[in-house]
Amino acid sequence: DIQMTQSPSTLSASVGDRVSITCRASQTISGWLAWYQQKPGKAPKLLIYKVSSLESGVPSRFSGSGSGTEFTLTISSLQPDDFATYYCQQYNTYPLTFGGGTKVEIK
Amino acid sequence: EVQLVESGGGLVQPGGSLRLSCAASGFTFSTYEMNWVRQAPGKGLEWVSYISSSGSTIYYADSVKGRFTSSRDNAKNSLYLQMNSLRAEDTAVYYCARGPVVPQSMDLWGQGTTVTVSS
Repeated sequence: DIQMTQSPSTLSASVGDRVSITCRASQTISGWLAWYQQKPGKAPKLLIYKVSSLESGVPSRFSGSGSGTEFTLTISSLQPDDFATYYCQQYNTYPLTFGGGTKVEIK
Repeated sequence: EVQLVESGGGLVQPGGSLRLSCAASGFTFSTYEMNWVRQAPGKGLEWVSYISSSGSTIYYADSVKGRFTSSRDNAKNSLYLQMNSLRAEDTAVYYCARGPVVPQSMDLWGQGTTVTVSS
């Protein structure tokens, strides 16, 4: 199985900050990497797919980058609505696997 | 409206069974692959099962293999998860999710249904 490792597990930041979350795959996933946002009591929401493609309706302050086994989700200017938990996920092979999550908290 | 709605969750004793349903609407369900993903209380996301659009190909996580069975009825726009021999560690919110639809991953999720396994 492909292991997905996210860091940090918790991130404290202020509105307007630029924040980045890293995700590392245990083997190459050919760019099949997605990012999700989840708020308490809600279902995950797809933000980014194929490393850097923005899902329709997602604000442009979200961006994804990376290649091979190392990937990054960046929020250019953190907004109040962005405080949530973020997960990376590989969909190169089954079983699909998720990172452990990064909780973005208000500083 | 394009949506997925899960149902069937509840409290069940260890060793018991439960059948979850996921009703799809607003899109052509029969053309989409589907997945079940679960989330234990306070924990991260765990993929459970995949089923192809026709239902001919199904995959399971090792943690549920031999105990859970995925199926679908395209005429009824519905996805199912039959869960047998339930264990305490199966306690979670269970989500159905549409996709992947290449190049996207799972782009549409239900609101989830809660399964609690406890005596």
